[in-house]
Amino acid sequence: DTAVSQTPKYLVTQMGNDKSIKCEQNLGHDTMYWYKQDSKKFLKIMFSYNNKELIINETVPNRFSPKSPDKAHLNLHINSLELGDSAVYFCASSQEPGAVEKLFFGSGTQLSVL
Amino acid sequence: KQEVTQIPAALSVPEGENLVLNCSFTDSAIYNLQWFRQDPGKGLTSLLLIQSSQREQTSGRLNASLDKSSGRSTLYIAASQPGDSATYLCAVKDGNNRLAFGKGNQVVVIP
Repeated sequence: DTAVSQTPKYLVTQMGNDKSIKCEQNLGHDTMYWYKQDSKKFLKIMFSYNNKELIINETVPNRFSPKSPDKAHLNLHINSLELGDSAVYFCASSQEPGAVEKLFFGSGTQLSVL
Repeated sequence: KQEVTQIPAALSVPEGENLVLNCSFTDSAIYNLQWFRQDPGKGLTSLLLIQSSQREQTSGRLNASLDKSSGRSTLYIAASQPGDSATYLCAVKDGNNRLAFGKGNQVVVIP
C-alpha cells in the first residue's frame, strides 16, 4: 500500500493546455502539500492544506489552483500551461504542522510542456 | 529568507568508507531540520528529523548532528554500501511551517 500516491507519473502536454495532477494519502494525515522541483533540483513549496483549508500559498501564478475535496486528497489543476511549468511536482503529507512533523512524499509527477 | 546550502554537491566514495555530508542554513530560528534521501525517479524518504532543541539523531548507520547557533548540520553514514547511492537533501523548517530545501548531495558508492 502506497502511503502517498500521485497520478499520473508522467505528463506530456502542449503549451496552453489545462491539466490536473491528483494526490491521495492513506496515512490519516491532516496536512498535505504540493512542492515543485525544477531543473536545478531545487524543491520549493507551492501550497499547503490543513484539514481542507489552505494555510500556505507561496507566490505561485494563479494558473495553479489546488483543490482539497477531503483531508486525504489534494489535487493540483494547472491552466494555460507554459514551458516554464515543466518540472517534477511532488505531493506530500504530514500529521500536523509542528516541530516533530515528518513529511511523507509521493513519487512525483514529471510534467513536460512542449 | 532562509537559504540552505549543501556541500559537496556530488561525491563518490569506495564501498566501506564513511560518508560526511554537510548542510548549512542562514537563519538559525528553525523548528527542525530533516535529512531526506531521493532516488532517481522517486519521491523523498525522510531519514532523520532533529528538533531545534536536539543536538543529534541516530538511526542505524546514520547519524545527523545539528548546531543551530552556527547554522550547520552534518549527516554521517558509516561503512557506506552501494545501496546508499542516492541524493541526500537537507531541509529546515521555520516558524511559518515552511520547509527550505538545499539542492542535495549526490552520492555514488563504488563497489
